[in-house]
Amino acid sequence: SAVISQKPSRDICQRGTSLTIQCQVDSQVTMMFWYRQQPGQSLTLIATANQGSEATYESGFVIDKFPISRPNLTFSTLTVSNMSPEDSSIYLCSVEEWSESSTDTQYFGPGTRLTVL
Amino acid sequence: RKEVEQDPGPFNVPEGATVAFNCTYSNSASQSFFWYRQDCRKEPKLLMSVYSSGNEDGRFTAQLNRASQYISLLIRDSKLSDSATYLCVVDNTDKLIFGTGTRLQVFP
Repeated sequence: SAVISQKPSRDICQRGTSLTIQCQVDSQVTMMFWYRQQPGQSLTLIATANQGSEATYESGFVIDKFPISRPNLTFSTLTVSNMSPEDSSIYLCSVEEWSESSTDTQYFGPGTRLTVL
Repeated sequence: RKEVEQDPGPFNVPEGATVAFNCTYSNSASQSFFWYRQDCRKEPKLLMSVYSSGNEDGRFTAQLNRASQYISLLIRDSKLSDSATYLCVVDNTDKLIFGTGTRLQVFP
């Protein structure tokens, strides 16, 4: 499977500031996604990062709050803007790998643990 | 009703025990199903896909019942290293829906 790295691995930020999270994949992938996992909860899809066009956001998430870039097939960024303590969460990048012999599968990066004070 | 529902546990079992997790999903059009494992403070990792015919990978057996919209995971001969949260995941054609996870704790 693809090797996915994220930077930073964790950060503590002041409310009102913004943080940009980077996701790097060691191979070209078509589909990249950004998820959020709030404390004690499961994963929620924020958006699909589309290469060369605007990201596709899920209900409850907007571009102004979570701008996403996808300049090529191996890299994406997610910015958490104007942060509040409610944004404290783990943010995960994932990629989908297609296989002829089995189901398309998603693999996750190690996550970025964000704490907003 | 949640799209994917799991018993949150925790399931506390001794080493060597057999334990089963259940999951139900609401969208009958769902196409693909997975079990992911998530260790504390780590990212989810794919444990196995779930096929209609059922599938086995070593000590792990996954079953799918489309008529009842029900998925299960059976772990035989539990090891201490099996302690983790197990996430039931359903692919609704365009995105993955995650259950809240079932926590397993295996004790010596």
